[in-house]
Amino acid sequence: QSVLTQPPSVSGAPGQRITISCTGSSSNIGAGYDVHWYQQLPGTAPKLLIYDNTNRPSGVPDRFSGSKSGTSASLAITGLQAEDEADYYCQSYDSGLVRVFGGGTKLTVL
Amino acid sequence: EVRLVESGGGLVQPGGSLRLSCAASGFSFRDYGMHWVRKVPGEGLVWVSHINSDGSITTYADSVKGRFTISRDNIKNTLYVQVNSLRADDTAVYYCAREYSAAAGYFDFWGQGTRVTVSS
Repeated sequence: QSVLTQPPSVSGAPGQRITISCTGSSSNIGAGYDVHWYQQLPGTAPKLLIYDNTNRPSGVPDRFSGSKSGTSASLAITGLQAEDEADYYCQSYDSGLVRVFGGGTKLTVL
Repeated sequence: EVRLVESGGGLVQPGGSLRLSCAASGFSFRDYGMHWVRKVPGEGLVWVSHINSDGSITTYADSVKGRFTISRDNIKNTLYVQVNSLRADDTAVYYCAREYSAAAGYFDFWGQGTRVTVSS
């Protein structure tokens, strides 16, 4: 069982907006640690998508955005495209500076 | 261009050992903390271990503590993890990942992974 909780799956039609939640606790997100998001396309390595809650690395489209509030964080994808179909993971620190991931969310583009 | 290339995976019997390697290029390896992260089939990513830039500090997930040993060679620009007493639930793809900075705590580059299968 993952320390950070994500919905196992979400889906949306092309062009729609979806959000993926990441719920933690007072020992990780609620303690003020930043949340980061990764995209893992089928058969490939994870790729950094959002860092420090809201920031996009160079090359990541602005269709992807992140937010954080209290003990939770969210990833939003607008203008959904077929190429966005992937697994998405949130990540943060936990007490003792252990890195923790969410269980992952499989995004299906209908 | 930053490159991380893992090797050393394979099929091993329960109780066996492997040494996984991650060859780094395209950046100053000695300046970055490095991690191992694994993906179990059908499950999510799980952080395994971390080593700081000069190798003086290591941390492990509870599930591998005492069985895995992370190390690095800053001359050869290579990260290692010695995995001993392997169990079926260690079956996974093992990724090495670069930590952007100790303060930041996120992984900005990942290797393509090496598969470890523990089975008799």
